[in-house]
Amino acid sequence: AQTVTQSQPEMSVQEAETVTLSCTYDTSESDYYLFWYKQPPSRQMILVIRQEAYKQQNATENRFSVNFQKAAKSFSLKISDSQLGDAAMYFCALTAYGGATNKLIFGTGTLLAVQP
Amino acid sequence: DAGVTQSPTHLIKTRGQQVTLRCSPISGHKSVSWYQQVLGQGPQFIFQYYEKEERGRGNFPDRFSARQFPNYSSELNVNALLLGDSALYLCASSLRTGPDTQYFGPGTRLTVL
Repeated sequence: AQTVTQSQPEMSVQEAETVTLSCTYDTSESDYYLFWYKQPPSRQMILVIRQEAYKQQNATENRFSVNFQKAAKSFSLKISDSQLGDAAMYFCALTAYGGATNKLIFGTGTLLAVQP
Repeated sequence: DAGVTQSPTHLIKTRGQQVTLRCSPISGHKSVSWYQQVLGQGPQFIFQYYEKEERGRGNFPDRFSARQFPNYSSELNVNALLLGDSALYLCASSLRTGPDTQYFGPGTRLTVL
């Protein structure tokens, strides 16, 4: 079975500061992708960043970067220079190809507040 | 390019009724997946379709069914609605069935009274 765990229900950061959201996962598959999705109050699920398991280099997208520790099955998201628009629920998700489906397994989410 | 679209945006039904939700994937995407997100939780996988064939089904009762059309759009049907079916229903599309990025639509908010 595949699982994703987010142990921080809520986090808070000051505007312009850096915050790190934690995620651990478990899968027996060797071919998998990890994602961070952002869900603002509108509830539209927006892709933030993707990491392919076979890539050793950590993914970056502008102010967003990940720390992918494959052996430890850890996948944290770092948000630099936090902005008010970053306030949202953040979900860590895993998709693996162990069969015919590439379903996403989501964590329980981390609610990020950005203080002005 | 247009993203994933879903209709309707909001829906209110009563217990026992039936509902049909619709989704159009990103142009060129052949895989459509459906997720249910109850308030305060992460999305739960319901179905995946690829090339009009069901490729996966989550732990949902047979009241839930879906199909994919030749133009890759999809419908999710829920029969005999229960209060617990109230949720945001998300559709996502991807190019393929292997590990790939799924892009989500804005969702359909279903309220069952």
